[in-house]
Amino acid sequence: SQQGEEDPQALSIQEGENATMNCSYKTSINNLQWYRQNSGRGLVHLILIRSNEREKHSGRLRVTLDTSKKSSSLLITASRAADTASYFCATEQGGISSGSARQLTFGSGTQLTVLP
Amino acid sequence: KAGVTQTPRYLIKTRGQQVTLSCSPISGHRSVSWYQQTPGQGLQFLFEYFSETQRNKGNFPGRFSGRQFSNSRSEMNVSTLELGDSALYLCASSSAAGGRTEAFFGQGTRLTVV
Repeated sequence: SQQGEEDPQALSIQEGENATMNCSYKTSINNLQWYRQNSGRGLVHLILIRSNEREKHSGRLRVTLDTSKKSSSLLITASRAADTASYFCATEQGGISSGSARQLTFGSGTQLTVLP
Repeated sequence: KAGVTQTPRYLIKTRGQQVTLSCSPISGHRSVSWYQQTPGQGLQFLFEYFSETQRNKGNFPGRFSGRQFSNSRSEMNVSTLELGDSALYLCASSSAAGGRTEAFFGQGTRLTVV
């Protein structure tokens, strides 16, 4: 089952504008990751934020995490046509010891279209 | 460093048949996970292997199985295929256990059951 929902489901913007996507989840987590998927292809990892972090940057990406509200947001600044893709958040629960199993629970995704 | 490799990329099978998909993780990665992606259900976790042991399993019927070899390569098998098994199957590899590092995904295997 899905851990949570992403909002909006679809977003259409002009090149150069900023895009913000939100993700909500239901249970406590040890990290949250954002992925991009181009049509029907594999997932590309964008950024990982740990539960004890509140904000993280990577190039044009900015991710925030609010564990009290169980939500995260992904901001893409100065968007480009090449950013057109589906964006998914994924949470990981469980322990952080070396023996802990890995499992990601994905949101439903946001389809971003950047118009040239 | 080579990425995660999944073979084959596309597969068409008939209902009732079985299928085996393969995943070669990034060199040095010992954790391999499998996910199913469909338009209706989204991305769902199938199972995870670490050092040839299944550590975690999602809510899928027993027709879905997997294994991992000593070189960390993994296979998943689906027996008695149903139309609803048509999906993109994604494999992910991770370097460390415990949720401290990102998972890297392959390009997926697109399975169509007719």
